[in-house]
Amino acid sequence: NAGVMQNPRHLVRRRGQEARLRCSPMKGHSHVYWYRQLPEEGLKFMVYLQKENIIDESGMPKERFSAEFPKEGPSILRIQQVVRGDSAAYFCASSRGADEKLFFGSGTQLSVL
Amino acid sequence: DQQVKQNSPSLSVQEGRISILNCDYTNSMFDYFLWYKKYPAEGPTFLISISSIKDKNEDGRFTVFLNKSAKHLSLHIVPSQPGDSAVYFCAATKLSGAGSYQLTFGKGTKLSVIP
Repeated sequence: NAGVMQNPRHLVRRRGQEARLRCSPMKGHSHVYWYRQLPEEGLKFMVYLQKENIIDESGMPKERFSAEFPKEGPSILRIQQVVRGDSAAYFCASSRGADEKLFFGSGTQLSVL
Repeated sequence: DQQVKQNSPSLSVQEGRISILNCDYTNSMFDYFLWYKKYPAEGPTFLISISSIKDKNEDGRFTVFLNKSAKHLSLHIVPSQPGDSAVYFCAATKLSGAGSYQLTFGKGTKLSVIP
């Protein structure tokens, strides 16, 4: 039973480019969450999605960031026109139900040059 | 505004001895607390949790203590093993009400267990 799968593991982008981070939840899980860990910080909640719905995006920066979880395929976190401050580890988590335990993926390390 | 604080960035302990990791919180609305363990290049893995209606929860070598009046919790690992070397994150949430998935994490404590 595969865990939460994130790809790529490492992503390097130049300032102004777009970054796309992918997350496939654990089998049987329909709730997906994205967290971000800036250097020397704890993980911070960004967004909570279910299939085709954004449930809570209160932690998402207002501009350049978007997330989706389509009916088919992985959840995507998209960052447009990346800046150096976007460099961080982005973790995806999934759960079976809304108030159930979160299982985290290994993260995507985004580096913006 | 850090609502969950882990004031020790690192801790070194001899194998076989007790490791004590501390965590303080400021938001009195938090009623559920979790500890996660993270190895390099991996995601956080759930370790143990405690509800605010309890003051202690034990699971094998791991025990979490909660002092609500002091807004303080601690994770005890005994005996410590080299495989316990990792970064430990304290996290908190409001289980009562919507949004319990919004975990608030501390910055982590890196534990090194010396053989």
